[in-house]
Amino acid sequence: NAGVMQNPRHLVRRRGQEARLRCSPMKGHSHVYWYRQLPEEGLKFMVYLQKENIIDESGMPKERFSAEFPKEGPSILRIQQVVRGDSAAYFCASAQGAKNIQYFGAGTRLSVL
Amino acid sequence: GQQVMQIPQYQHVQEGEDFTTYCNSSTTLSNIQWYKQRPGGHPVFLIQLVKSGEVKKQKRLTFQFGEAKKNSSLHITATQTTDVGTYFCAENTGTASKLTFGTGTRLQVTL
Repeated sequence: NAGVMQNPRHLVRRRGQEARLRCSPMKGHSHVYWYRQLPEEGLKFMVYLQKENIIDESGMPKERFSAEFPKEGPSILRIQQVVRGDSAAYFCASAQGAKNIQYFGAGTRLSVL
Repeated sequence: GQQVMQIPQYQHVQEGEDFTTYCNSSTTLSNIQWYKQRPGGHPVFLIQLVKSGEVKKQKRLTFQFGEAKKNSSLHITATQTTDVGTYFCAENTGTASKLTFGTGTRLQVTL
């Protein structure tokens, strides 16, 4: 039973490029969450999705960031025109059921040069 | 917005000593979850507390939820080097909702 899969594990982009981060939830899970963790800080919620729907995007920056969870395939977090301040670890988590226990992927470490 | 504070920010202990981290909120928490993140790793779920005054144990770890549901603690008895990492509390406001993470306590254990 595979856990939450994220790829790539490490991503290097130059300023102005686009970053695409992928997340496949645990089998049977339909709730996907994205969190960002800056170095030496805690995790900050970004967005919560279910299949084909964004449920809560209250933590998403208004510009350059978008997320989707299509009917088929992984959830994608997309960052356009990256800036140095976007350098962080981006974690995806999935959950299912009333207890809302979230299982985290290994994360994508984004470095913007 | 909701802020969940943890103290201390950092603690360095010798192996065998006890360790406690505290999680405090200015508002009543629906329930509280605890996660552990090893250096360079990802958060791993440890436990969820729901009831006022609840106490749960996992081997050397003891978790408490305050009577007023505004604070929680994690106590590790006789720390080991494998306990190294950052411990986060997180508020879970209900079914299928985001987690609001505390600021974390980084534990370092040396021989």
